[in-house]
Amino acid sequence: EAGVVQSPRYKIIEKKQPVAFWCNPISGHNTLYWYRQNLGQGPELLIRYENEEAVDDSQLPKDRFSAERLKGVDSTLKIQPAELGDSAVYLCASRGQPNEQFFGPGTRLTVL
Amino acid sequence: EDQVTQSPEALRLQEGESSSLNCSYTVSGLRGLFWYRQDPGKGPEFLFTLYSAGEEKEKERLKATLTKKESFLHITAPKPEDSATYLCAVQELNDYKLSFGAGTTVTVRA
Repeated sequence: EAGVVQSPRYKIIEKKQPVAFWCNPISGHNTLYWYRQNLGQGPELLIRYENEEAVDDSQLPKDRFSAERLKGVDSTLKIQPAELGDSAVYLCASRGQPNEQFFGPGTRLTVL
Repeated sequence: EDQVTQSPEALRLQEGESSSLNCSYTVSGLRGLFWYRQDPGKGPEFLFTLYSAGEEKEKERLKATLTKKESFLHITAPKPEDSATYLCAVQELNDYKLSFGAGTTVTVRA
């Protein structure tokens, strides 16, 4: 069974530029999460989807971050414009039964 | 207020030297407590889910236990390949998000 797929693996941009991350969850997993992990910290939830509906986006900085999950399968997370403090690893996860979250390899973002 | 606190921050072990990692948590109601392993440059890898006090789970040299306030991850006779950061996370009854601790970085020397 293929795991959670994310791309790109690395991204370096200048501040104020836009950036987008893509995630394809494990087949059949209806719940998809985006987390952000800063260096030396655990992941922090940004948004949770149940199928195509965003059911928890309370931690998503909505002034610059947006996400979508069209057709309830793959998802895109966007930042526009990026700031220096957005440098982090962005992780996508999906939830299977009974209640296990599986993570992708992450996208390491560096904002210069 | 931190929900999940892991200790120690870092642990250096000699190969074969058993030890334990601690995860203290504060939640109004626990749906589950999760342990993950994370290698540098990779996403967290699922290890265990514990649901109720007294529950124990094992995988190779790892054993996780749960009480009402904390969880322990015991590493028995570790090998260098057990070197990684171990993350603990809690899930509350009214939610499906995971709230993570900062992790314990374990280094096992041959």
